[in-house]
Amino acid sequence: DTGVSQDPRHKITKRGQNVTFRCDPISEHNRLYWYRQTLGQGPEFLTYFQNEAQLEKSRLLSDRFSAERPKGSFSTLEIQRTEQGDSAMYLCASSVGTAQTYGNQPQHFGDGTRLSIL
Amino acid sequence: AQKITQTQPGMFVQEKEAVTLDCTYDTSDPSYGLFWYKQPSSGEMIFLIYQGSYDQQNATEGRYSLNFQKARKSANLVISASQLGDSAMYFCAMREGREETSGSRLTFGEGTQLTVNP
Repeated sequence: DTGVSQDPRHKITKRGQNVTFRCDPISEHNRLYWYRQTLGQGPEFLTYFQNEAQLEKSRLLSDRFSAERPKGSFSTLEIQRTEQGDSAMYLCASSVGTAQTYGNQPQHFGDGTRLSIL
Repeated sequence: AQKITQTQPGMFVQEKEAVTLDCTYDTSDPSYGLFWYKQPSSGEMIFLIYQGSYDQQNATEGRYSLNFQKARKSANLVISASQLGDSAMYFCAMREGREETSGSRLTFGEGTQLTVNP
């Protein structure tokens, strides 16, 4: 059983460039989450999908950020016109369950994509 | 106000001894869930243990147990018989509200860095 896979592991880019990250959840996990973690802090929620529907977005997710999960499997997170403050670890997680059990199920995390803005 | 408070930035324990990592939470919702995750220096977030707000008994998973004191709004993690491999950052997280109405976003604390000494 493979875990959550994220690509790339590291991304270095210049300020103002666009970047895109990919997340492949555990197969058959119908919920997928994106979090951002800065150094010395806990992860902060960005958004989540149930199948292909994006059900919730944090206020942290400015209009430069967009996430998709077009076929209900893998997801992409794009950041346009990157800024210094976007430097962070971007974590993807997935979980499985029903409407009654999602809250009890752990979210399984990938290894993250570390973004560095020059 | 902080939703999750972890007051111990760092903790040290001798190998084979038990250690308690503190976590207090703040919510007015009667339905919530509490999670503990471990994050080694390699970066991956590893799920350890879950406690639901309506659970009558404290959760246990192997060497991990959760000391749940609902009236005090605390959910401390107890690690028994510490091992060198337990050295990591530990995060307490909360899911608030009923799953059907609020989704399953997690709110994390700032973490406690545990060091196990030989």
